[in-house]
Amino acid sequence: DADVTQTPRNRITKTGKRIMLECSQTKGHDRMYWYRQDPGLGLRLIYYSFDVKDINKGEISDGYSVSRQAQAKFSLSLESAIPNQTALYFCATSDLGKSEQYFGPGTRLTVT
Amino acid sequence: AQSVTQLDSQVPVFEEAPVELRCNYSSSVSVYLFWYVQYPNQGLQLLLKYLSGSTLVESINGFEAEFNKSQTSFHLRKPSVHISDTAEYFCAVSDGGSQGNLIFGKGTKLSVKP
Repeated sequence: DADVTQTPRNRITKTGKRIMLECSQTKGHDRMYWYRQDPGLGLRLIYYSFDVKDINKGEISDGYSVSRQAQAKFSLSLESAIPNQTALYFCATSDLGKSEQYFGPGTRLTVT
Repeated sequence: AQSVTQLDSQVPVFEEAPVELRCNYSSSVSVYLFWYVQYPNQGLQLLLKYLSGSTLVESINGFEAEFNKSQTSFHLRKPSVHISDTAEYFCAVSDGGSQGNLIFGKGTKLSVKP
C-alpha cells in the first residue's frame, strides 16, 4: 500500500463550488504539506503543518484553507473554486528534523 | 529568499547518449539539495540528495549529481540514458533550518528518443 494517499485522484467541479481534497499517510511523519503544480511553474507551496496544532501559510495560500484532523490526515479546501485553481495538487510528508519530502500521487482538479 | 533555477525547460536526447540537467540555487548558506523525478501521471519521487559529506551523490538507477558550492550548482548527470528515463526532473533546495521547507525549480522535461 502507498505511504501517502490522496483522494480523489481526479475531480471536475464548477466555479463557486466548495471542494475538499484529502491526504492520508502511514509514514508516521509529523510534517505535512500541500502543493500545486502548474505546467512550467514547478511546485508551489500552499500550506504546511508541523503538527496537529501548527498550521502555516505557504507561498500561495489565498483561496485555500486546510485542516489537520490527525497526525496522519491533512485536508485542503477550496471554499469557492475558480478556474485558475485548475491544477495538479500534491500532498507531501516529511519526518521531524529531515528535509526530504515524500509525495502522494496527486489530485488533478479541473474547475469549469 | 532562496530560489532555484533550472536552466533548461526541455532536454531532448537520443537513447544511450549522455545527459546533464542543470540546476543553480541562490542561497550562500548551508543548504540541502535534492533531485526529484516525476514520471508521466505519477507523483514526485526522490531521486537523490546532498546533505553533507561527499559532493558527488548517486542514485540507484545511474544518475549522479555533484554539489559545487563555489558555483552554487547541483547538476544532474547520466552517462547513458534509457527510454524509461523520460520524465520531468525537479531540483529543490532547503536551508535545513527549523522550517526546512523545500523550494523547487520549475522542472526540466527529459525526453529520450530511440
